[in-house]
Amino acid sequence: GAVVSQHPSRVICKSGTSVKIECRSLDFQATTMFWYRQFPKQSLMLMATSNEGSKATYEQGVEKDKFLINHASLTLSTLTVTSAHPEDSSFYICSASQGGGTLAKNIQYFGAGTRLSVL
Amino acid sequence: AQSVTQPDIHITVSEGASLELRCNYSYGATPYLFWYVQSPGQGLQLLLKYFSGDTLVQGIKGFEAEFKRSQSSFNLRKPSVHWSDAAEYFCAGGLVGKLTFGTGTRLQVML
Repeated sequence: GAVVSQHPSRVICKSGTSVKIECRSLDFQATTMFWYRQFPKQSLMLMATSNEGSKATYEQGVEKDKFLINHASLTLSTLTVTSAHPEDSSFYICSASQGGGTLAKNIQYFGAGTRLSVL
Repeated sequence: AQSVTQPDIHITVSEGASLELRCNYSYGATPYLFWYVQSPGQGLQLLLKYFSGDTLVQGIKGFEAEFKRSQSSFNLRKPSVHWSDAAEYFCAGGLVGKLTFGTGTRLQVML
């Protein structure tokens, strides 16, 4: 149980284009979803937290207009990198947590990540 | 500020040897604690978690971790390492749903 699917696994795009990454919880309802960015050989940096039906909460220093997050349903969140540039190239990982009690809310299940390369 | 520290960037062990990966946390209150494993180019898989109660926690793949409040530590252990355990290991702490990750420890296993 608790499977999170992330798509695509890899995307290459031209500078100036937009890219959408999907994150789905396959066998549970994800009250909260998280988006992380990971630089090579580094830890995960939380970009934003999203709750179903409400606006995402962005971490300090993350551009809201560049990284658009939509959490339209309890099983789907999307991250759109708008007007992508080479410096946006990175590994993006989503995670999801269930609703319910405190314990469930604090366990995050991760997708397999998306490698974005902007040329 | 909340933080999680993994002092060892890289550890090499021989297959069959025991393993201990260190993790220390700094929080105002005891956080929920987690160990995740990441294979190259992949997402993170939850190995085990500590919320409260028994301080020795059993996880998947033969891993265990011990919570020590006096040392603010949550070290990960495995009695006998397999070559397939080579990966990046992340310790994380959480309160109110957000996780703070350590910088990770890369485990290399020598055959």
